[in-house]
Amino acid sequence: DAKTTQPNSMESNEEEPVHLPCNHSTISGTDYIHWYRQLPSQGPEYVIHGLTSNVNNRMASLAIAEDRKSSTLILHRATLRDAAVYYCIPEDSNYKLTFGKGTLLTVNP
Amino acid sequence: NAGVTQTPKFRVLKTGQSMTLLCAQDMNHEYMYWYRQDPGMGLRLIHYSVGEGTTAKGEVPDGYNVSRLKKQNFLLGLESAAPSQTSVYFCASGRQGANTIYFGEGSWLTVV
Repeated sequence: DAKTTQPNSMESNEEEPVHLPCNHSTISGTDYIHWYRQLPSQGPEYVIHGLTSNVNNRMASLAIAEDRKSSTLILHRATLRDAAVYYCIPEDSNYKLTFGKGTLLTVNP
Repeated sequence: NAGVTQTPKFRVLKTGQSMTLLCAQDMNHEYMYWYRQDPGMGLRLIHYSVGEGTTAKGEVPDGYNVSRLKKQNFLLGLESAAPSQTSVYFCASGRQGANTIYFGEGSWLTVV
C-alpha cells in the first residue's frame, strides 16, 4: 500500500486560500488520490479525487504533481466550516481507503 | 435521504458482554466497510465486504466478526467486549467502480 505524509496541523485565516500538501511517493501509476475531511464528531466526507491532471469541484481543487509523488488540496477561500482533519488517501484494491492521521486545519476568524 | 445509518449511536458495555452494531445503506452499494477511530487517530479498517455474502479482513480484525447476509446491511459483532475496543465505529458504503464512499455518523462504544 502507498504511504502518505501530511503535516500534522495547519492554520489559516478566514477567506484566505489554503494549500494542504501530501506526499505519496510510493503510489502506483493507476491509483487515484482521494481527499476526505472529517469535521468534529462526524464521519469523514468526500472532498475530491484525481489521477493525473488537476481537478476542480465546488468544494476544492486538487493539484497533482507531474510525477504523481505529491498532491495539494486547495481551498480557495477558507471558512470557519472548513475547520476539520483532512486526509490524503491513495486508492487501494477493492477501493479500500487507508486513513493516516491527516492534517488538522484550524481556521481563524 | 437516509444514506448510511448506524445503530446504536451510543452504547456502554461491560467487559465480556457481546453486542452487534448494525449498518444499513439505502443506496444499493456493493461495497461496505467498518472502521474504528481511537482518540487523536485516523480511521482503521476492521472488516469490509465487496458484495452480499462476502466479507474480508481489514487492518485490525481481531476481536470482531461481521456478516453481510443482505446487500443493504453490514453487521459488526463483538463476541466478548474488551476495554481496548472502546472506540468510535464508522460504517461506510460505496458503489463498485465509483470513487466515493459514504460514511455514517458513527457509533460511540465504551467498554468498562
